[in-house]
Amino acid sequence: DSGVTQTPKHLITATGQRVTLRCSPRSGDLSVYWYQQSLDQGLQFLIQYYNGEERAKGNILERFSAQQFPDLHSELNLSSLELGDSALYFCASSLGGNSGNTIYFGEGSWLTVV
Amino acid sequence: DQQVKQNSPSLSVQEGRISILNCDYTNSMFDYFLWYKKYPAEGPTFLISISSIKDKNEDGRFTVFLNKSAKHLSLHIVPSQPGDSAVYFCAASEGNTGKLIFGQGTTLQVKP
Repeated sequence: DSGVTQTPKHLITATGQRVTLRCSPRSGDLSVYWYQQSLDQGLQFLIQYYNGEERAKGNILERFSAQQFPDLHSELNLSSLELGDSALYFCASSLGGNSGNTIYFGEGSWLTVV
Repeated sequence: DQQVKQNSPSLSVQEGRISILNCDYTNSMFDYFLWYKKYPAEGPTFLISISSIKDKNEDGRFTVFLNKSAKHLSLHIVPSQPGDSAVYFCAASEGNTGKLIFGQGTTLQVKP
């Protein structure tokens, strides 16, 4: 158990809908990351927050947004969902926000868009 | 452009022997490297890391070697056990963000 908690573990939704994925980082960790793993893709970095502020942005679609709240939990919002958004979404956390910090991953949220 | 590459999609070794997983990178600014183990539909599990100021780091059966001039790192598992069978990802980061760039992964099978 990495200490990173993600909910829900699985969800199925229709195209055009909106979903919210939730993440609680490890106790004491200030930085949160979101990654996407599709069937034919590796682990793709989406976005990083550090202590409530956006720190780095990857290949995150404009239909997606995220935030980190004062209690350090994070949410990833996916809207106008398309079939191609079906993937495993991972949240991860680390103590610091710079390179050199070990990053621990949650178990993932499996999103299926039908 | 794939900045982190794992050119071997799969590797099969006998139990008790050494497993060597390789990773190449192109970005000379990477200063921290990590290896993760992953089972299907589960999150990556951190194994071992190395800073760019070192050339070797060891933790039990796992040793990571870094060759900066060749932009190459490798993970050695000795002795290999059937429970080590999984997908292994190499990842790298740089500078003032912790974001990791991952390789495509290598599937390791350890045969009893």
